[in-house]
Amino acid sequence: DAGVTQSPTHLIKTRGQHVTLRCSPISGHKSVSWYQQVLGQGPQFIFQYYEKEERGRGNFPDRFSARQFPNYSSELNVNALLLGDSALYLCASSRGPDSNQPQHFGDGTRLSIL
Amino acid sequence: QKEVEQNSGPLSVPEGAIASLNCTYSDRGSQSFFWYRQYSGKSPELIMFIYSNGDKEDGRFTAQLNKASQYVSLLIRDSQPSDSATYLCAVTGDSSYKLIFGSGTRLLVRP
Repeated sequence: DAGVTQSPTHLIKTRGQHVTLRCSPISGHKSVSWYQQVLGQGPQFIFQYYEKEERGRGNFPDRFSARQFPNYSSELNVNALLLGDSALYLCASSRGPDSNQPQHFGDGTRLSIL
Repeated sequence: QKEVEQNSGPLSVPEGAIASLNCTYSDRGSQSFFWYRQYSGKSPELIMFIYSNGDKEDGRFTAQLNKASQYVSLLIRDSQPSDSATYLCAVTGDSSYKLIFGSGTRLLVRP
């Protein structure tokens, strides 16, 4: 079975631009979460979506937004990019939104801001 | 105080030894605990999860949870050079939907 797929794998943008990252969950998984990982740190939670609704949001500015589609895939949008947004963006899927559902990560999108 | 704390390492062990990785967490309400392995330049890979006090074994891996001490550990028996990676501890926060990660412990298994 296919795992979590993310696109693109790498992206280079300049300050002020916007970016859209995409994620397809594991088949049968209805919950998608987004995380940001900077070098040397663990992933930080950005959003969780379940059944197309936002279930939770981390401590990120309003420049970050996301949505989930009827097929459970998801997009993460970041506007007005800053140098500090350079990071590995990870998508994780799980069967449901609750804490006892293990989350499985995709390979990530590495975003570089120049 | 960080919510999830791990020693950054590196933890260096010889091949065949037991590697012991530790993690403490601050939220007594945490319900679920996960260990992820992350190779350099790759994404985290789930290797163990535990919900109840005690030990849980899966192959060479054993997760141990002590909620009273707010402590979770991962033991890797018969360590192999291929186990060399960063191990991330993650716990659910005050809301069940998100994982809170530690900064990870780098493990180096010497041949």
